Amino acid sequence: ETGVTQTPRHLVMGMTNKKSLKCEQHLGHNAMYWYKQSAKKPLELMFVYNFKEQTENNSVPSRFSPECPNSSHLFLHLHTLQPEDSALYLCASSQDTAGGAETQYFGPGTRLLVL
Amino acid sequence: GQNIDQPTEMTATEGAIVQINCTYQTSGFNGLFWYQQHAGEAPTFLSYNVLDGLEEKGRFSSFLSRSKGYSYLLLKELQMKDSASYLCAVMDSNYQLIWGAGTKLIIKP
Repeated sequence: ETGVTQTPRHLVMGMTNKKSLKCEQHLGHNAMYWYKQSAKKPLELMFVYNFKEQTENNSVPSRFSPECPNSSHLFLHLHTLQPEDSALYLCASSQDTAGGAETQYFGPGTRLLVL
Repeated sequence: GQNIDQPTEMTATEGAIVQINCTYQTSGFNGLFWYQQHAGEAPTFLSYNVLDGLEEKGRFSSFLSRSKGYSYLLLKELQMKDSASYLCAVMDSNYQLIWGAGTKLIIKP
């Protein structure tokens, strides 16, 4: 247990569906991240939130929409996804993002399959 | 561009020693991280190096040479549970993590 939980753990959706991924951290951290992990590829940073404010959006398509209502919760809303979006989506948290090399702690991920 | 290289897959024998290398080219350097990721699980933090030299933590050690853009993770007395992927990541000048693709380590009895 890393103190970061994600639900659901597995998700199958059609290209016309709308779904949401949820992440919760119990570490008292102020920064939260969404990553995409595809087989044999490096982790791709998607979004970063620090103190509930989005500080990074790495040219992610608009069919992915993040939401951070407070420092403990992070959502990723999905709509009209493509089959190439099938991947493991990882959430992480760290103390914050400013002024230091903070260790990131990861959740177990949501395995997403888009049909 | 920024780049992290590590071998795709390695195989080692239970009880032996294995060294997983990582080379990097990044815009600035604010430290190098190693993470372990078992299949279907979260990456978990193993080590952080920001100064040159060897950091030892039980059976695992991590080495850094900033002048060579090189690090390695050394695993001693290998156990079957060490079968996992090992991810190398460098924090650049913007404090953003640049990730390698990971090294899948297979331990054989």
